[in-house]
Parts: sequence; C-alpha cells; structure tokens
Amino acid sequence: QKEVEQNSGPLSVPEGAIASLNCTYSDRGSQSFFWYRQYSGKSPELIMFIYSNGDKEDGRFTAQLNKASQYVSLLIRDSQPSDSATYLCAGRWGGGADGLTFGKGTHLIIQP
Amino acid sequence: DAEITQSPRHKITETGRQVTLACHQTWNHNNMFWYRQDLGHGLRLIHYSYGVQDTNKGEVSDGYSVSRSNTEDLPLTLESAASSQTSVYFCASSVGSEAFFGQGTRLTVV
Repeated sequence: QKEVEQNSGPLSVPEGAIASLNCTYSDRGSQSFFWYRQYSGKSPELIMFIYSNGDKEDGRFTAQLNKASQYVSLLIRDSQPSDSATYLCAGRWGGGADGLTFGKGTHLIIQP
Repeated sequence: DAEITQSPRHKITETGRQVTLACHQTWNHNNMFWYRQDLGHGLRLIHYSYGVQDTNKGEVSDGYSVSRSNTEDLPLTLESAASSQTSVYFCASSVGSEAFFGQGTRLTVV
C-alpha cells in the first residue's frame, strides 16, 4: 500500500520566518515527489517537484528529498501571509502517466 | 490560453440517479485523471486515462466510470449516486511531471 503521511496542522509561523513542511512515505519505489498549494475552495497548484536525493530550490521554496529515510520536506523562506494555505505532498509510483498519491495536507498559517 | 475546465461547478442530485461530471482540456495532454477530495482523506485517485480509448481504475473506483473518446474530454459518471459520493471532484491533465487541475465540482447527493 502506497501511502503519504503529513501532519494536518495547523502550523503557525510568524511572517518573515521559515516555514518547514514535512512528509513521509511508505514505499521506497516512488520515483518523484510533488508539493502542491491549495487555497480554500480552490484547486491545487504545483509549487515544485523533486526526484533526486538532496535539495532543489526555486525562489523562496526549497524541496528536500531523503530516499533512505523516506522523507520529503518543503521549506518556505521569508514567509508571507499569502503563503497561508494547505500544502499537499504527493508521490508518484510509476511513470509520468500514473496518478499521484496525496497526503492529507498540512494547513499553514502565516501570522502577520 | 490552454486550460482545463469542469462542469458543472456545483450539483445537487438524489440518491440513485446517474450523474455525469464533465472535464475538458485544451492542452492536448494524453494523460487525464479524476480525483475526489474529502475532509480527512485528502485527494484520492478515482480513474485515469493514458489516451483515447484507454481507461484505468484508481484507488477509489467503485461506483464510478469514465470513457475517453477523444483527447480533450474525460467525463466521470456516477452510475447510481450514493450519499458517500458527496465530495469535491477534481479533474487533472498532465504532461511530463506537472499535473494541471480543473476548478473542481462540488457534488452533493441527498
């Protein structure tokens, strides 16, 4: 059974601080991982994906993958109130055509 | 601009009725997906398609069916709606690593 686990939160972070979101997964066979942001009542939007061990940076966002520990994280630097949303971690076990297995999401609140 | 659209955005139906949710994308993506999102469960895969005439079952496919007669459309049918199928439904299409989601359809079965 392929599972992705996230703490549902809420995670409260002061504006300007680093928000750290974490995710673990059950099956070592996953090829790639994705972080989506979802505002209340809206559809998920892709922030970034990662498939190699280590860090991947894109602007204020850094994704980290540790396949040995089956752990994925997303760091948001200089957090802004507009970053307040639910963050969904997802894994893909298979090729590019396969669907994603999502975690339940972490609700992030950035306090002004 | 290319996009993915779902219709209707909101629907209320009665138990036992057949319901079809539409999904249309203009990116010409081969891969299309249907997910449902429920509190406490997150997004779960219902069905997916690699291309025309191809359909595959996902994690929670019971009570649902899809058909793919062209690249642009993947309608989702609930054969006999049940209260347990009250949910928000998202359609998505993908190329490579990025999946694009529609706006969602909120379905209520009463």
